[in-house]
Amino acid sequence: QVQLQESGPGLVKPSETLSLTCTVSGGSISGYYWSWTRQPPGEGLEWMGYVYYSGSTNYNPSLKSRVTISVDTSKNQFSLKLSSVTAADTAVYYCARGRLGGANWGQGTLVTVSS
Amino acid sequence: QSVLTQPPSVSAAPGQKVTISCSGSSSNIGTNSVSWYQQLPGTAPKLLIYENDKRPSGIPDQFSGSKSGTSATLGITGLQTGDEADYYCGTWDSSLSAGVFGGGTKLTVL
Repeated sequence: QVQLQESGPGLVKPSETLSLTCTVSGGSISGYYWSWTRQPPGEGLEWMGYVYYSGSTNYNPSLKSRVTISVDTSKNQFSLKLSSVTAADTAVYYCARGRLGGANWGQGTLVTVSS
Repeated sequence: QSVLTQPPSVSAAPGQKVTISCSGSSSNIGTNSVSWYQQLPGTAPKLLIYENDKRPSGIPDQFSGSKSGTSATLGITGLQTGDEADYYCGTWDSSLSAGVFGGGTKLTVL
């Protein structure tokens, strides 16, 4: 049973870079797509992007200039970086297996952008 | 404004059936397969349906999915209070080259 766990700071200052890591356990990161989706409080889901285990990526055009998703197969982890954050980036961030998010999701982590 | 359009809310009585629609366009639903997710309060989304009408292991046949043209539908039968949740459709948009979700539908079991 594949399990995913997000980790990273729960509070980020405006204009700084949000960094999160998703650790995959119970299975290999190789051979799959891995994605990030976020959900602002009280709002719907927003797809942020995905990384293939080989390192190729695809990002939401609305975030493309600020988002980077990378993979570390040696650690069975993949990561999200979102630069120049504002209060509008406050959300629960989910990592998942699959381009859009399939049967395996992390529990989510709330990141608040505030000074 | 979501690329995929869902009704904000639906409701039905216990034991009844409800359907949730998801409307898109030729570049998303019209071309790519649709997934459906259930999100209970305070929890991560859970995959209910993938590839339009397939259920992952462990998802009861209470849940069904279908697609026609540029729209998709989630059906839920035998409603229970435990089915109260937000439901989202999602698919790939070939024009945007991006994943897209509907705005979500809140199901209330009266």
